[in-house]
Amino acid sequence: EPEVTQTPSHQVTQMGQEVILRCVPISNHLYFYWYRQILGQKVEFLVSFYNNEISEKSEIFDDQFSVERPDGSNFTLKIRSTKLEDSAMYFCASRDPTAETQYFGPGTRLLVL
Amino acid sequence: GESVGLHLPTLSVQEGDNSIINCAYSNSASDYFIWYKQESGKGPQFIIDIRSNMDKRQGQRVTVLLNKTVKHLSLQIAATQPGDSAVYFCAEKTGGGNKLTFGTGTQLKVEL
Repeated sequence: EPEVTQTPSHQVTQMGQEVILRCVPISNHLYFYWYRQILGQKVEFLVSFYNNEISEKSEIFDDQFSVERPDGSNFTLKIRSTKLEDSAMYFCASRDPTAETQYFGPGTRLLVL
Repeated sequence: GESVGLHLPTLSVQEGDNSIINCAYSNSASDYFIWYKQESGKGPQFIIDIRSNMDKRQGQRVTVLLNKTVKHLSLQIAATQPGDSAVYFCAEKTGGGNKLTFGTGTQLKVEL
């Protein structure tokens, strides 16, 4: 069964450093998402992406965040200058254009020191 | 030490019993609802979904019920198994927007 994959599974970085989180969505999906989950809290929406542009973003997704689909398979989330409060699990999700269901990847655990 | 984050409601059931997990959603304009299962350290795993023009939908061992009058969603798991132990989240989508808004989650513990 096709799955969303994410790399790395864990990332530790110093405050102020840039990180890039990578996702490979399910191959025929055209809608892509990033969510995050701070330890012990709800899953929160960050951004949705379709047709090479952002279609919706939350107030969390400020100028420090950006997304890109650099090729036909990868979808990335970049945090330009990480802060301590960016420590969380980051989940990528994708959706088939003909359906509503969003399928999630296993997540990247980001720890900012 | 001090604990942070949400205190998840917990449902404990005996193996083989039926489980009912409840969720109150926030937006009466939401038109799509979905249940996810999340095991420790993993991503949310799709269980079942329902559109707002339905009030019940069944899957394999799972049933979702939607009561729009009181903005309530429930997930019923038949013959609960140890592998069902996880945190269960409901999520809603409103109108043409893409984003899912997640609920707090319920920890399901299956006792042998």
